[in-house]
Formats: sequence, structure tokens, C-alpha cells
Amino acid sequence: GIQVEQSPPDLILQEGANSTLRCNFSDSVNNLQWFHQNPWGQLINLFYIPSGTKQNGRLSATTVATERYSLLYISSSQTTDSGVYFCAVSLYGGSQGNLIFGKGTKLSVKP
Amino acid sequence: GAGVSQSPSNKVTEKGKDVELRCDPISGHTALYWYRQSLGQGLEFLIYFQGNSAPDKSGLPSDRFSAERTGGSVSTLTIQRTQQEDSAVYLCASSLGQGRANVLTFGAGSRLTVL
Repeated sequence: GIQVEQSPPDLILQEGANSTLRCNFSDSVNNLQWFHQNPWGQLINLFYIPSGTKQNGRLSATTVATERYSLLYISSSQTTDSGVYFCAVSLYGGSQGNLIFGKGTKLSVKP
Repeated sequence: GAGVSQSPSNKVTEKGKDVELRCDPISGHTALYWYRQSLGQGLEFLIYFQGNSAPDKSGLPSDRFSAERTGGSVSTLTIQRTQQEDSAVYLCASSLGQGRANVLTFGAGSRLTVL
């Protein structure tokens, strides 16, 4: 099956710093989403980005489908950015519902 | 409703008992998903419903697990003869459908503890 690898697994930042999270996937995908899980467990969709670049405030994401990776950029990090960031993909030609999640990047932003 | 609603939020049960977990998706969302998240782990796909199509059950870990979706809306995940390894947070999500509409909105989850 498709493999989804996220790096780094853990990241500690000082408030105000920038960061880049990476998601590598092993096969062609037709769906790629980034999620943030807050410390209370709630998952929030950040981006639907099977290709191209999108920006939403301090967050932006880029997916290079031909090279099978996606990047999530967080600028001017805040303590509320803490939590786990997941990348999820579904296989091109496969079930769109079978979103495969990576193991996540745990981000801690210190004041 | 405004969001995806799951109940119960917490369930403690004894090994061997059956449990039912409920998910009420966002009104108008045709797709519904169940995932499982064990402590400190990523999300494991369980089952996917899309409209009137046959569900994708490929993620159900054993025949003790089943799910149904009545009237294209509310879904129930049933775990029979629970085992300790079933302890996890069970997450439900819904979306408008496929392609660009397939952006998932998650509920807060049902935390299951099997003693």
C-alpha cells in the first residue's frame, strides 16, 4: 500500500520562528490534505492540496505531485500552533475515502 | 448540524461487552468516514460511506467491527465482544463528496476504554 512519511517527527520552536514540515508519499495521489490536531484532540483541516500552492494567513502549503512530496510552512509561529500536524493522502485510482494518514509531526511552540 | 457530532464522548466497558458509537454528520454531507486513533498514534482508516454506494470496509480490523449508515445520515459503529486492544479514540468525519469537495470535517471523537 501507499506509504506516507512525515518529517520531522518532533519539532520545538520559540514563538515567532518559522518552520517547514514535510510529507513524502510513495505513489500517485488524487487527494492530499493537511490537518492540525490540537492538544485536546480536535482535528481541523488546514488545506486540500493535491497539487500546487495555497496560503491561508500564516500557513501555506505546496505539493509537488510529480516528485511525491508536500510541504507545510508555518510562519511567525504562535503557542496556539502547538499540536500534531498530519498529512493524509488517497491513492490515485483508489477509494477516495481511504485517506491514509502519516504518523504526524508534533510541534511545540514555546513562549 | 453545524458540525460532526459523536456520542458518547467517553465509554468505559468491560472486556467481552458490545459497544455502539454514534456519528451524526454535517447536514448535506454525503460522505462519512470512521477512523481509529490509538494513544500517541496516527489515524487508522476503518470504513467509508459515500451516498448510496456500497461502503469501503477495507479498514475494519476484524469481523467484530461493523458499521451502518441509516438514511444516508447518522452512522453507528458497533464493536462486538470488545478486547483491550480496541481501546482508542474513534473519530468520525464527513465531507461533501469527492474531488475538491472531499475536505474532511472531524468530530471530537469517542474515547473507548476496555478494561
